Order: sequence, then structure tokens, then C-alpha cells
Amino acid sequence: QTVVTQEPSFSVSPGETVTVTCGLRSGSVSISNYPSWYQQTPGQAPRMLIYSTDTRSSGVPDRFSGSILGNKAALTITGAQADDESHYYCVLYMGRDISWVFGGGTKLTVL
Amino acid sequence: QITLKESGPTLVKPTQTLTLTCTLSGFSLSTSGVGVGWIRQPPGKALEWLALIFWDDDKRYSPSLKTRLTITKDTSKNQVVLTMTNMDPVDTATYYCATRGVTVPGYYNAFEIWGQGTMVTVSS
Repeated sequence: QTVVTQEPSFSVSPGETVTVTCGLRSGSVSISNYPSWYQQTPGQAPRMLIYSTDTRSSGVPDRFSGSILGNKAALTITGAQADDESHYYCVLYMGRDISWVFGGGTKLTVL
Repeated sequence: QITLKESGPTLVKPTQTLTLTCTLSGFSLSTSGVGVGWIRQPPGKALEWLALIFWDDDKRYSPSLKTRLTITKDTSKNQVVLTMTNMDPVDTATYYCATRGVTVPGYYNAFEIWGQGTMVTVSS
């Protein structure tokens, strides 16, 4: 079973930088997994922020960026704002047989 | 404007079969590279990918649920239908449909646009 790992939660102050990671319990994440990131606020559908590791979706502020850090995908919020308080999910494409696997999500608190 | 809207029963009994419909607007599922997937989210829990159907009728299923899932499309009605058999209370969740390959190239394998979701409760 493929397990995608994320930090359960982060708490930052406004203006701080936070990096959320997305890893595999067994193995390394690479650009070939086409990591994508989603923001979800309570009661709302997820919204795509980043696709293909580091490409921002249309309309997404440039304080959101994606990368590969070591053996994980990463979402960095540079200068977090109160509006960024949300859950963040990554999803990895694992090939034809497994296809897509979501991470467990990271709850970001900005206070 | 590209939109997706999920519809189906809000309450099903254990062992019953769930049928959900995703109605698409603003794009065609017959366009090369396009896919529509289903993702669910139990209350307070993480997202879980379930299934996806491509423009060419290729289908993918979550390995852990594939024996219970069937995804089909009706291009003339612009709809994608997901059926899940043998429903159990643990299947209680909000079910979302989402696009793949509509606003960004399909090979990026991302879920670009999501419907609002439909909540399904499994209870006797």
C-alpha cells in the first residue's frame, strides 16, 4: 500500500515562512510523481495551488511555491497571511496501476 | 466557465449500491487528454482518490476499492457516473468530482477544477 506522508499540523505567525512536505513512506518523491498541492478551507471544495511540482495555478499568489526538497515534494508559503489558514493536501501520481494517492493533509494555523 | 456538479442520494443503507452523477459544463469529455475523477473525504478526514475516466474511456480505480467501484461516462449528456457497491458506514463522506487535463495539460495529472461536493451518509 502506498502511503503519502505530510506533517499533521503547523502553526506560524503572520509574515513567517512555512514549508509543508509530501513524502512517501517507502521511496522518494520526484518530478515524475507530478506532485500537486491543494488548499481547502472548512466547508469548501479543494482548490489547486500548484501542479507539476512547482507551477502555480492561475490566480494563486506568488507567496506560494512548490519544489522538491531532498526526497520530498514541498509547498512553501513565504510570508503567511491570515487568509492562508487552511488544510493543505498533496497528491502524487504513482503510475498506471496505483494512479493517484493523496497525503493525509496538513492543517496550517496562522496566528 | 468550467463547472462540475455532483448529485445523488444523501442517505443510503448499508449493503446498498451508491450511484453518483457528475454533470460537466464548459468542456467536453470527448476532448483528447481530458479526464474526470472522483475523490471523497470522510468528515474531518483526508481526501481519498477513488476513480477516474479518460476521454478515450480508459478507466483507473483505487486499488483498495476497485472491486466495489465502476465509473462510466455519457458524453452526450456531459455526465460521469460513479457506482459503489456494498456501502458501509465507513463510506460516509463528501464525494467530489474533479477535472484532469482541461485547463492544464493532462500529463501533469492534477485535479484542476472541483465540484462543490455531495455529502453521502451511510446508515440504517
